Amino acid sequence: AQKITQTQPGMFVQEKEAVTLDCTYDTSDQSYGLFWYKQPSSGEMIFLIYQGSYDEQNATEGRYSLNFQKARKSANLVISASQLGDSAMYFCAMSHTSGTYKYIFGTGTRLKVLA
Amino acid sequence: EAQVTQNPRYLITVTGKKLTVTCSQNMNHEYMSWYRQDPGLGLRQIYYSMNVEVTDKGDVPEGYKVSRKEKRNFPLILESPSPNQTSLYFCASSSDTGGNQPQHFGDGTRLSIL
Repeated sequence: AQKITQTQPGMFVQEKEAVTLDCTYDTSDQSYGLFWYKQPSSGEMIFLIYQGSYDEQNATEGRYSLNFQKARKSANLVISASQLGDSAMYFCAMSHTSGTYKYIFGTGTRLKVLA
Repeated sequence: EAQVTQNPRYLITVTGKKLTVTCSQNMNHEYMSWYRQDPGLGLRQIYYSMNVEVTDKGDVPEGYKVSRKEKRNFPLILESPSPNQTSLYFCASSSDTGGNQPQHFGDGTRLSIL
């Protein structure tokens, strides 16, 4: 069954430090996409970063990078130089590009950045 | 401004009273989807649509209906709402039906069914 697992319900990080949010996925498909979204306390969903299953390089977007380990089926989000504004809920998600076009989200990790 | 617009933002209603949550996007996106967000469960997909008149079930479709008569609109219908449908609902759209582009989300609709 297709599934996304985020094992860290909550995390703390000191301002200016780096933090890794874990995401593992399960799929038998070869073609899929992996996404990270941020949900601040105001509630909106903000897209952060995308990794395709056939991409050989890890995706990066500013302070965000995705540590993609295909054999281990993991897609961890790394936030460098954490800022107070990074405090939010973070969701890992997976899309499928053949057969079914469903999206699956993980249960999320709540990150708190400490001053 | 490119956006996904949901209405209403908040609604308190009673069991069994039919309701519709509207969703409209102005980006000419093919793919649209509805999710519900519940504490500890993340977002769960209710229905999605690949194009006009093409819809399919997500993981939690029971108790919901959708329609896609126009490309820009994708309303969510609760024919006989029940308290277990109390939740935060998001509509989203994407330019890519192949799942290689991110989704753009509306601001959410908080539904309370008494």
